[in-house]
Order: sequence, then structure tokens, then C-alpha cells
Amino acid sequence: QLQLQESGPGLVQPSETLSLTCTVSGGSISSAGHYWGWIRQPPGKGLEWIGSIFYSGSTYYSPSLKSRVSMSVDTSKNQFSLKLSSVTAADTAIYNCVRQDKKVGAGDYWGQGTLVTVSS
Amino acid sequence: EIVLTQSPVTLSLSPGERATLSCRASQSVSGYFAWYQLKPGQAPRLLIYEVSNRATGIPARFSGSGSGTDFTLTISSLEPEDFAVYYCQQRSNWAAYSFGQGTKLEIK
Repeated sequence: QLQLQESGPGLVQPSETLSLTCTVSGGSISSAGHYWGWIRQPPGKGLEWIGSIFYSGSTYYSPSLKSRVSMSVDTSKNQFSLKLSSVTAADTAIYNCVRQDKKVGAGDYWGQGTLVTVSS
Repeated sequence: EIVLTQSPVTLSLSPGERATLSCRASQSVSGYFAWYQLKPGQAPRLLIYEVSNRATGIPARFSGSGSGTDFTLTISSLEPEDFAVYYCQQRSNWAAYSFGQGTKLEIK
């Protein structure tokens, strides 16, 4: 059974860079049929797509976050990562990593999510 | 960027009733259209993909339909565990995703 697990600091200072890693187990990240993405949900708000990455390193970012987002993949560790720079309180959210089926355009396996709070 | 608008924001129904949730896109979308269920403290659960295909393990009471800019999720007879928040999602041809703002399905 495929599993995804987010890891990273739960508290980030304003103006700093948020960094999260998603570790994939039970399957390979080097799948030609899937993207690997990050979705977030601010408290009391809806889901927001942040970006997605292919195992080759090709990236796709939300237009609203593109200037602050960077994603990378490490196939040797079966991990992919997110960096979000210049964070503010508005970036406080539960961050989920997800496997997105390239063929059907949907997220079929999700991590449990990790709460990241931006505060001094 | 394609904007998805869900209605109603909140839907109050009783177990056994039929639920109809709507999602309208700001422009015509491809067939990459999905619905998710979200419960507190849990990861989102994929219900429907490609407009009308049920994901693995999803009960037959869940169905999806629509095309172009208008899409619907129907739950034929509500079970107690169905009360949750539901999100629609689309993916463009260039791998950009967007979500609706959600519909909260609550017990009446």
C-alpha cells in the first residue's frame, strides 16, 4: 500500500522559508504515470493547489504562488520537497503531499498532512 | 486560471435523503474533473475522477456527472458517515489544478 508522509518544521518565522519533505513508501516515485503534488488548507478555508512535480524534475506551480515556490525531487530517497519563501501568517495551513494520477488528473493517495504555523 | 464555484456553500439534509452538490467552472474544462470528501483530521479522500468514475472502494451511492462548465456530485441516499465537506477539482491540460471553495454537507 502506497503511503506518503510529510515532515518538516511546524513553526516558521515570518519572512523565512517554509521547507517540507514528503517521503513515499510502498511504491516508487519514479513513476511515469504520476505527478507528486502539494496541497494546503488554511484554517477555516478551502483546499489550494501549490504545485506538482514529475520524477524527471519538471515542475508546475500555482500562478498565485509561483514567485515564491520551489519544488524538487530526490528519486534515490523516494522523496520530494517543497520550499515556500517569504512566508507570512497567510501561509499558515495544513500542508498535504499527494500522488496525482497523470492520466485521470486526480489525487489518489494523500499524506495525513502537517500543520505549519507562521508566527514569531 | 480556471475558477471553480461550488453551490450551495452549506447543505442541510437528513440521513436517507438525496444530496446534489454543484460545481461551475469559469470556462470549459477538460475531462480531468474530480470530487473529494474531507473530514476533520483526515486526508482528503478521492471519490470521483474523470467526471463520473468512482474511485476504488467508493460506494455506489456516490455518482458524478456533467460536462463543459457544470458538474454535479450526487449522493443517492445519505449515510451518517457522508456528512463532511466536499470539494470539486479540475486539472488543465498543462497540469495546473484548481479546487472549488467547498460545500459543507451537514445533518439537518
